[in-house]
Amino acid sequence: DTEVTQTPKHLVMGMTNKKSLKCEQHMGHRAMYWYKQKAKKPPELMFVYSYEKLSINESVPSRFSPECPNSSLLNLHLHALQPEDSALYLCASSQIRGTQTYEQYFGPGTRLTVT
Amino acid sequence: AQSVTQLDSHVSVSEGTPVLLRCNYSSSYSPSLFWYVQHPNKGLQLLLKYTSAATLVKGINGFEAEFKKSETSFHLTKPSAHMSDAAEYFCVVSAQNSGYSTLTFGKGTMLLVSP
Repeated sequence: DTEVTQTPKHLVMGMTNKKSLKCEQHMGHRAMYWYKQKAKKPPELMFVYSYEKLSINESVPSRFSPECPNSSLLNLHLHALQPEDSALYLCASSQIRGTQTYEQYFGPGTRLTVT
Repeated sequence: AQSVTQLDSHVSVSEGTPVLLRCNYSSSYSPSLFWYVQHPNKGLQLLLKYTSAATLVKGINGFEAEFKKSETSFHLTKPSAHMSDAAEYFCVVSAQNSGYSTLTFGKGTMLLVSP
């Protein structure tokens, strides 16, 4: 099973709302990632979790708050977003084993629209 | 530092004709390289990967890529295009950190397939 699932598929929220995106994988991967993708652009890395600890925060505004409650789950909490935050949010996961590079498996994404 | 250059933003082919998507990379050490495909409003799907084993890499759906160190290239090919191949393709180089990987994406090549 190489599936990463994300919920919801679509989300429309106002600028004062609080919402959360959820990502789940059952491949035993210990690295998980959040990306933001704007139309016709490649994904941009936002956060990396390694062994459930935040390893990278790519200078993401504090209105995005990641959480990794266990090795299978990754959440992205959203609060007071701006219209320019509208994008496809992708979750990914990968193995960790020594120094070998492993591929990342991506979920289908959450299409977020901020009104 | 690593970088990836996808030489064409768009490639148009007819169904049944060969596909060539070009990618050049820059890496200060032996790279791990990937091709991902993204259909509209979907997540990224791994097509194939090179991680210093065989230089000719076979992937899913009839795609393959050849790693050429002397040319710093990793071009993606397919002998015969199918309508379902129409999508965005990303060439990616990976850097391994302490346990997780960070991906550097090319800007993408949109493959258009006409009947």
